[in-house]
Amino acid sequence: NAGVTQTPKFRILKIGQSMTLQCTQDMNHNYMYWYRQDPGMGLKLIYYSVGAGITDKGEVPNGYNVSRSTTEDFPLRLELAAPSQTSVYFCASSDNYEQYFGPGTRLTVT
Amino acid sequence: AQSVTQLDSQVPVFEEAPVELRCNYSSSVSVYLFWYVQYPNQGLQLLLKYLSGSTLVKGINGFEAEFNKSQTSFHLRKPSVHISDTAEYFCAVRIDGGTSYGKLTFGQGTILTVHP
Repeated sequence: NAGVTQTPKFRILKIGQSMTLQCTQDMNHNYMYWYRQDPGMGLKLIYYSVGAGITDKGEVPNGYNVSRSTTEDFPLRLELAAPSQTSVYFCASSDNYEQYFGPGTRLTVT
Repeated sequence: AQSVTQLDSQVPVFEEAPVELRCNYSSSVSVYLFWYVQYPNQGLQLLLKYLSGSTLVKGINGFEAEFNKSQTSFHLRKPSVHISDTAEYFCAVRIDGGTSYGKLTFGQGTILTVHP
């Protein structure tokens, strides 16, 4: 049981490039989430999903997109990277009472 | 909407001393409360949670927290800290209700540094 896995661990992007952050969970949870963490700001919810085919915006969705074609996978897409998207990104899944977090992806946009 | 305020951004303490990390929340409906810990360069790990019942909640690594509804607080305590407790701690809240979809609102975090 691997829990929540994220790839890559680190990435450097140039301004305007695109990339997809991968997230997979093996706990059969319906709920999944993407957060970004910036120093002194806590975690901010970007997007969430309540099941395959159903996604919705969180607090800071601008510049991001998501999809949920299966229960296990919840990728986060950055279309035109900007320096403001430099952050640490965490994926999580939930059984509706507790969220389980992945190890994070550290993204730098220069 | 709910919000969470962690009253201290940094807490330095000596090894074997007691510590309290403070968390206040705001919500117009009943809530569930959580404390997560993040060790350097790692993801978040659940320390403890309050869902219902006893207001004193015990978690992993000797931590406990007390839910105080009248003061809308959920402070985290440990009677004797260890060097290995050095980490960032996050308080989080979610609405007690079906339409919350398990979403959490996090505080800004408190960095606990334990000195020898």
